[in-house]
Amino acid sequence: GAVVSQHPSWVICKSGTSVKIECRSLDFQATTMFWYRQFPKQSLMLMATSNEGSKATYEQGVEKDKFLINHASLTLSTLTVTSAHPEDSSFYICSARDTSGYEQYFGPGTRLTVT
Amino acid sequence: DAKTTQPTSMDCAEGRAANLPCNHSTISGNEYVYWYRQIHSQGPQYIIHGLKNNETNEMASLIITEDRKSSTLILPHATLRDTAVYYCIVRRGGTSYGKLTFGQGTILTVHP
Repeated sequence: GAVVSQHPSWVICKSGTSVKIECRSLDFQATTMFWYRQFPKQSLMLMATSNEGSKATYEQGVEKDKFLINHASLTLSTLTVTSAHPEDSSFYICSARDTSGYEQYFGPGTRLTVT
Repeated sequence: DAKTTQPTSMDCAEGRAANLPCNHSTISGNEYVYWYRQIHSQGPQYIIHGLKNNETNEMASLIITEDRKSSTLILPHATLRDTAVYYCIVRRGGTSYGKLTFGQGTILTVHP
């Protein structure tokens, strides 16, 4: 099956700093990528949808100026958490949809801890 | 996209079949039923999807009722590694695929 990677797999940062998470589709082209967030013992919550070369679409309640998404190529999307606070600590998971649209593949997730 | 209802948790003995139900009574004609699972601290893994016919792959079988208002995911011979949260998701298909929206899922525990 298709592979989606994320880097880093975990990161610890200080409050007020910014953190960038990368999501790559390794063996397929992804015109659409998605970013999810998951708090402990909760389900995945969709944060935003990004299409290659255009601005991301954010779900209601997600601050676009805080969670910057860039989808500059068909294999790479980045999520930058700006001015991170402890409440941003979470498991961030990206997902990529192949060009057929049928299937959507998920990355292994990035654990962010803000101290 | 239609909402789904799943039991909060289920148990299964190792080696037996695990049958996970899902209710999607408001499903529309162009909506597919997808199943994903999430093992602890990992990203979701695709299992199977279907529109109206029953489907089978190397991981599982998907049985969709004739009225499409419910479905069952079957893991034929569950192993301890199948312990995970299983998500049933209804997603719009066709020329404009809908988003995958996750509910609470079913926590499946496979015990020896």
